[in-house]
Amino acid sequence: GAVVSQHPSRVICKSGTSVKIECRSLDFQATTMFWYRQFPKQSLMLMATSNEGSKATYEQGVEKDKFLINHASLTLSTLTVTSAHPEDSSFYICSASVLILAEISTDTQYFGPGTRLTVL
Amino acid sequence: KNQVEQSPQSLIILEGKNCTLQCNYTVSPFSNLRWYKQDTGRGPVSLTIMTFSENTKSNGRYTATLDADTKQSSLHITASQLSDSASYICVVASGGSYIPTFGRGTSLIVHP
Repeated sequence: GAVVSQHPSRVICKSGTSVKIECRSLDFQATTMFWYRQFPKQSLMLMATSNEGSKATYEQGVEKDKFLINHASLTLSTLTVTSAHPEDSSFYICSASVLILAEISTDTQYFGPGTRLTVL
Repeated sequence: KNQVEQSPQSLIILEGKNCTLQCNYTVSPFSNLRWYKQDTGRGPVSLTIMTFSENTKSNGRYTATLDADTKQSSLHITASQLSDSASYICVVASGGSYIPTFGRGTSLIVHP
């Protein structure tokens, strides 16, 4: 099956620093990648959607200047948390999908294993 | 507004017992419904996916049902194992949009 990896799996940083998280689709080309944030015992919250080569679409309430998303290729998307603060501590999960327009009803998102960010 | 409601919020059962998780949705137009299993500290893993014309689908000890008329789905777990302890998330996709609506999940704990 399709595999999505994330790196790093866990990161601890000081307040004010920037952290980059990578999301890679290992055995398929992803037309779209999604970034989610999940707080303890809560559901996944979509942050942004990105398509290769174009600007990401951010959900309401998500600061695009704070959460920089780059989708440089069909297999790699990065999320950079700039000037991180303790309230940014969370579990960040990416997912990748291949959208076949003729079969939109069966598109599937493949999730990465997640990245645990702790900001001190 | 598209919504997905799951119940119960949490569930504790003994190993070997069966259980059923519920998902009600108001997503329209409906495209497909997925059940995911998310272990603590891990990303979600797909269990089943059903489109409008499917009303049951199995994956090992997991059986999902879908009633598109009442907009309800259930996930039945048979002969539960300790490794079934996880959060189970119902996700509904809307036709014409590839951004799905997530439920809050049901936290299942299986005790020996």
